[in-house]
Amino acid sequence: GQQVQQSPASLVLQEGENAELQCNFSTSLNSMQWFYQRPGGSLVSLFYNPSGTKHSGRLTSTTVIKERRSSLHISSSQTTDSGTYLCALEPDNAGAKLTFGGGTRLTVRP
Amino acid sequence: EAAVTQSPRNKVAVTGGKVTLSCNQTNNHNNMYWYRQDTGHGLRLIHYSYGAGSTEKGDIPDGYKASRPSQENFSLILELATPSQTSVYFCASGDEFYEQYFGPGTRLTVL
Repeated sequence: GQQVQQSPASLVLQEGENAELQCNFSTSLNSMQWFYQRPGGSLVSLFYNPSGTKHSGRLTSTTVIKERRSSLHISSSQTTDSGTYLCALEPDNAGAKLTFGGGTRLTVRP
Repeated sequence: EAAVTQSPRNKVAVTGGKVTLSCNQTNNHNNMYWYRQDTGHGLRLIHYSYGAGSTEKGDIPDGYKASRPSQENFSLILELATPSQTSVYFCASGDEFYEQYFGPGTRLTVL
C-alpha cells in the first residue's frame, strides 16, 4: 500500500483563512520534508523536519513520529500561497531516498 | 544563484531516438537524484547516485540509464525514447542530512 498519504487532496480557502495540511505515513522514517510547487514550476523546500515543530513566517510544520504523521499549518493565507504542497519522507533503511505523497492542491481566493 | 540547474529545459524527441538530460549542482552534495512527475503518479524516483562514478536504480528505472561522471554532474539517458516517457523530469541534490534541493525541471515530449 501507499507509504505516504496526504489530505486533503485539494483545498479552497478565502484569503486570510488558515489551513492545515496532513501527511500520514505507514513506515518508520529518518526524515520528513515539505515542498511547495507552483503550477508548472519546480519544488521549493519549505521544511526539513524529521521530528518536532518548526516555524517559518506564516508556516508551521509539526512531525510526530510515534503517531506517524506530519502537518503543515498555513496561517492567514494569501493568494500567492496557491499551489501544490508535497510531503516526502525518507523511510528508515531506504538509503537517502524520498517517497512522496500525492500532494495537496491549495487555491486561495481573494 | 541557482544551485541545481538542468538542461535542456524543454525537449521534443522522436520515438526511438536518444535523449540525454543533464543536471549540474554547485551545492557540493554527494547525493543526486532523477525523478519524473506525471499527473496521477506524483513524483517517482528513476535513478540516484551517492557520488561520482556511482549510480543506483530507483523505483522506475526501466528504459533509463544514468551517469555520474563527477560530483557536480548527473545525466539521465534515454537510449530509445518512447511516448510513455513524455513527462517532466526533475533533478535534485541532497546534503548529508538528506534534505533535497530540486532543479527547475525539464519538460520532455516524445512524439
